[in-house]
Amino acid sequence: EAGVVQSPRYKIIEKKQPVAFWCNPISGHNTLYWYLQNLGQGPELLIRYENEEAVDDSQLPKDRFSAERLKGVDSTLKIQPAELGDSAVYLCASSLDPAGSSYNEQFFGPGTRLTVL
Amino acid sequence: AQKITQTQPGMFVQEKEAVTLDCTYDTSDQSYGLFWYKQPSSGEMIFLIYQGSYDEQNATEGRYSLNFQKARKSANLVISASQLGDSAMYFCAMREGLNTGFQKLVFGTGTRLLVSP
Repeated sequence: EAGVVQSPRYKIIEKKQPVAFWCNPISGHNTLYWYLQNLGQGPELLIRYENEEAVDDSQLPKDRFSAERLKGVDSTLKIQPAELGDSAVYLCASSLDPAGSSYNEQFFGPGTRLTVL
Repeated sequence: AQKITQTQPGMFVQEKEAVTLDCTYDTSDQSYGLFWYKQPSSGEMIFLIYQGSYDEQNATEGRYSLNFQKARKSANLVISASQLGDSAMYFCAMREGLNTGFQKLVFGTGTRLLVSP
């Protein structure tokens, strides 16, 4: 079974440019997460989807970040315009269990490493 | 206050030896879950082991075991018989308020483990 797929793996852009990251979750996983991982830190949740609905986006900086999950499968995270401080790894994860269940094992993709110059 | 504290930025261990990675947590909830993830240089977060706050037995998964000391609020990961492939970052994480709706995973800052031949 394929894992969570993310692309691109690496992206280098200049500040003020737009950038987009794509995620394909494990087949059948209804819950999808986007995390931000700064250097030397653990991941922090940006947004969570249950099917196509964004049910928790309280940590998403909405002035420049946006996300969508059309048809409740693939998802795209966008930054426009990018700032120097956005340099980080953006991880996508998916889970099968309802997000409120006790176990809720999340499966992570390899991430996209963004560098903003 | 930090929800998850990992005080060891780096740990060294020789192949075939056991190693303990420390994790302490802070919560006032009675129902919570503790997770350990491994992050190799390839970037994806790999789930290792889970301990629920009401679980009476310490969790074990192959060479991984979780030394859960509830009164001390610690959830240390023990890796027995270390292998070269165990070299990676290790993150402790917690979900509070289980079964009361979604609560996000909160990660610590991680411990980098290096296994030497």
